[in-house]
Amino acid sequence: AQSVTQPDIHITVSEGASLELRCNYSYGATPYLFWYVQSPGQGLQLLLKYFSGDTLVQGIKGFEAEFKRSQSSFNLRKPSVHWSDAAEYFCAVGAESGGSNYKLTFGKGTLLTVNP
Amino acid sequence: DAGVTQSPTHLIKTRGQQVTLRCSPKSGHDTVSWYQQALGQGPQFIFQYYEEEERQRGNFPDRFSGHQFPNYSSELNVNALLLGDSALYLCASSGARGEEKLFFGSGTQLSVL
Repeated sequence: AQSVTQPDIHITVSEGASLELRCNYSYGATPYLFWYVQSPGQGLQLLLKYFSGDTLVQGIKGFEAEFKRSQSSFNLRKPSVHWSDAAEYFCAVGAESGGSNYKLTFGKGTLLTVNP
Repeated sequence: DAGVTQSPTHLIKTRGQQVTLRCSPKSGHDTVSWYQQALGQGPQFIFQYYEEEERQRGNFPDRFSGHQFPNYSSELNVNALLLGDSALYLCASSGARGEEKLFFGSGTQLSVL
């Protein structure tokens, strides 16, 4: 069974500082990996995804993530955080269902606070 | 182009009651998945519907059931509500051929008293 661990429940950074959110996964095959962001009272917005190919993935809002198979990790990074990035971030691993669509297993999330 | 829409946005029920939540997928999508997000947790997969059939199910009891209509919209039904069913219920839609992206609605916040 697949699982996702986000070791950091809450991270606080200053505006303009760099950010790295950690994600470790467990999955028997090549994983589909995702990062989502959730603002209060909102649904989930996809930041980026990894399916195959280049292990450094670029996403929206200046985010990137690197897939490291040897470490079973998919950490999310941003070089300079903006106050509007304050939100909850979820890492997820996807498993195919019936060879077409798939279901996601999410981590428990990391709450990001940005200080001015 | 409307995205995924869910109704109602908020709902309050008492223990033992039944509830029905509704979801309209994004235009052009025919697969609907439901997730439960308890407070302070990540979303958990409940089940997925395609061609009006449940294609895959997560680790949820039979009290949780669903339906998909010919227009691809979907309902989530929960019977005999428990306090622990209080959560944000998220609907996500996608295309049938393994579209590499799920579009999520804003969810229905269910409170069971």
